[in-house]
Amino acid sequence: DTGVSQDPRHKITKRGQNVTFRCDPISEHNRLYWYRQTLGQGPEFLTYFQNEAQLEKSRLLSDRFSAERPKGSFSTLEIQRTEQGDSAMYLCASSSLARGTEAFFGQGTRLTVV
Amino acid sequence: KQEVTQIPAALSVPEGENLVLNCSFTDSAIYNLQWFRQDPGKGLTSLLLIQSSQREQTSGRLNASLDKSSGRSTLYIAASQPGDSATYLCAEEGGSNYKLTFGKGTLLTVNP
Repeated sequence: DTGVSQDPRHKITKRGQNVTFRCDPISEHNRLYWYRQTLGQGPEFLTYFQNEAQLEKSRLLSDRFSAERPKGSFSTLEIQRTEQGDSAMYLCASSSLARGTEAFFGQGTRLTVV
Repeated sequence: KQEVTQIPAALSVPEGENLVLNCSFTDSAIYNLQWFRQDPGKGLTSLLLIQSSQREQTSGRLNASLDKSSGRSTLYIAASQPGDSATYLCAEEGGSNYKLTFGKGTLLTVNP
């Protein structure tokens, strides 16, 4: 296992289009997180899955955002009707189920909305 | 609301210098604190994880400490090298939830 994998690495889209990102966590990890990072800021929490259950969503996750983790394996994050303000790095992380364990991040997907 | 603050926002040092990066947090029920490194345009690389019951962790030239009572953590880098140049982020896992709350990071530049 080579770690958390995200696809694509870069995405340029026109305003109003829909985009979908994929995250493959470390295989034995039950917990999966999505974060968003804008320039000069730390990552901000978007949502969290424990296995296939989405247990927490940030208020940052508007109705245009949806995340899934079917079968508790990979996860997808979809943004509908993209806006220029959605331009950011979208980061995925995974960790094991036990509290207080190390979180491992992917390389991120850089989204640019033009 | 959990808040994490990192000082300084940027730091420039000559090669070989020892340095300390600071992180403060407001969550008194912190579960653990993790330090990350981020290179430009890249994801986060985990450096050190300190459980709330621990005082410090060491990995190579890196040493991280945790003081829950004062709400502070430090990352000590010994004998800095140009390859250490990156943004260093600290994040705490709160006692009441599973998410990480990040600071804005410290941009470190080590000059040859």
